[in-house]
Amino acid sequence: QVQLVESGGGVVQPGTSLRLSCAASGFTFNQYAMHWVRQSPGKGLQWVAVIASDGRDKHYADSVKGRCTISRDNSKNTLYLQINSLRTEDTAAYYCAKDRTLGPAAYYFDNWGQGTLVIVSS
Amino acid sequence: EIVLTQSPATLSLSPGERATLSCRASQSVTRYLAWYQQKPGQAPRVLIYDASNRATGIPARFSGSGSGTDFTLTISSLEPEDFAVYYCQQRSNWPLITFGQGTRLEIK
Repeated sequence: QVQLVESGGGVVQPGTSLRLSCAASGFTFNQYAMHWVRQSPGKGLQWVAVIASDGRDKHYADSVKGRCTISRDNSKNTLYLQINSLRTEDTAAYYCAKDRTLGPAAYYFDNWGQGTLVIVSS
Repeated sequence: EIVLTQSPATLSLSPGERATLSCRASQSVTRYLAWYQQKPGQAPRVLIYDASNRATGIPARFSGSGSGTDFTLTISSLEPEDFAVYYCQQRSNWPLITFGQGTRLEIK
């Protein structure tokens, strides 16, 4: 079965950087676009970024554009999210999510990890 | 940005009753809308995509309808495990993906 396991979260100070990882198994990782979606405490869901199956095409939400880099290592079945210049409003649970369809992203999320919590606080 | 407004914010019903959840878009998303269920401490789970297609493994009591700006998620007869928060999500103007703010379905 599909398994997505995030790691790398923690308590960090504003202005610092963090790299989140997501280890994937149970499916052919290099055939699916992958996403990061976050959820602030007590708030709703916010899509963050997507990366194509081959890693060439990437898109970001306006709220993180210029501060985040999504990447993947298909040889390791791992997805990454580098977040720089962290702000208090970046505090959230960060989920990696598998796109629903093979090939180009459909922007529907059919499998999610358990999330990794990022707390930005001085 | 397409804003999705869900109503009601909270819906109180009893097991066995029918639940009707609404999602309204600020502009047409044609049929590019999904519904997710989230239980406390868990990640969301996709229920419906493209407005009315049930995702793999989703029980038939869940159904979606609508197009354009108005969408509905219906749960025909509530089971105890259905009490959760439900979100709609549009992919019409990708990559500017947006979610609704959620409807909490609670036991009456």
